[in-house]
Amino acid sequence: EPEVTQTPSHQVTQMGQEVILRCVPISNHLYFYWYRQILGQKVEFLVSFYNNEISEKSEIFDDQFSVERPDGSNFTLKIRSTKLEDSAMYFCASTSRFQGRREQYFGPGTRLTVT
Amino acid sequence: RKEVEQDPGPFNVPEGATVAFNCTYSNSASQSFFWYRQDCRKEPKLLMSVYSSGNEDGRFTAQLNRASQYISLLIRDSKLSDSATYLCVVNGAYSGAGSYQLTFGKGTKLSVIP
Repeated sequence: EPEVTQTPSHQVTQMGQEVILRCVPISNHLYFYWYRQILGQKVEFLVSFYNNEISEKSEIFDDQFSVERPDGSNFTLKIRSTKLEDSAMYFCASTSRFQGRREQYFGPGTRLTVT
Repeated sequence: RKEVEQDPGPFNVPEGATVAFNCTYSNSASQSFFWYRQDCRKEPKLLMSVYSSGNEDGRFTAQLNRASQYISLLIRDSKLSDSATYLCVVNGAYSGAGSYQLTFGKGTKLSVIP
């Protein structure tokens, strides 16, 4: 069964450093998403991406964040200058255009720890 | 403003019990509804979509009441492997921008005890 994959599984970085989180969505999916989950809190939407551009973004997704689909398979989230409060699990998700109910499938996540 | 609200839990039930989760959502324009399960420190995994007429998948039954903006999940004959956090998830109205962002509840933790 096709799966969303994410790398790395755990990233430790110092405050102020740039990080890039990587995702490979399911191959025939066309809509891509990033969510985050701070420990003990609910999953929160960050950004959606379709047709090589951002479709929607939340208020969390400020100028420090960017997304890119550099090739036909990868989907990346970049945080330019990390803050302590960016520490969270970051989940990538994807969905197929042809699934009428738009079920989203999540990758295993990257645990980001900012020290 | 709580967009998706769930039972606070936790629920501790013996094996074989029936357990029900409830959820309310605030956005009346919401179009799609789901239950996901999340194991500790893992990703949310789709359990089932929730249809207007109600739907069943084995031991799991989901119901939707659009008028009351209420969603439920019933698990019959609980197994130890059902222990997880159950997330009520609502897909917002189509924005026209090609996006269906999901809004999650905080989840209800279920522990099935031998």
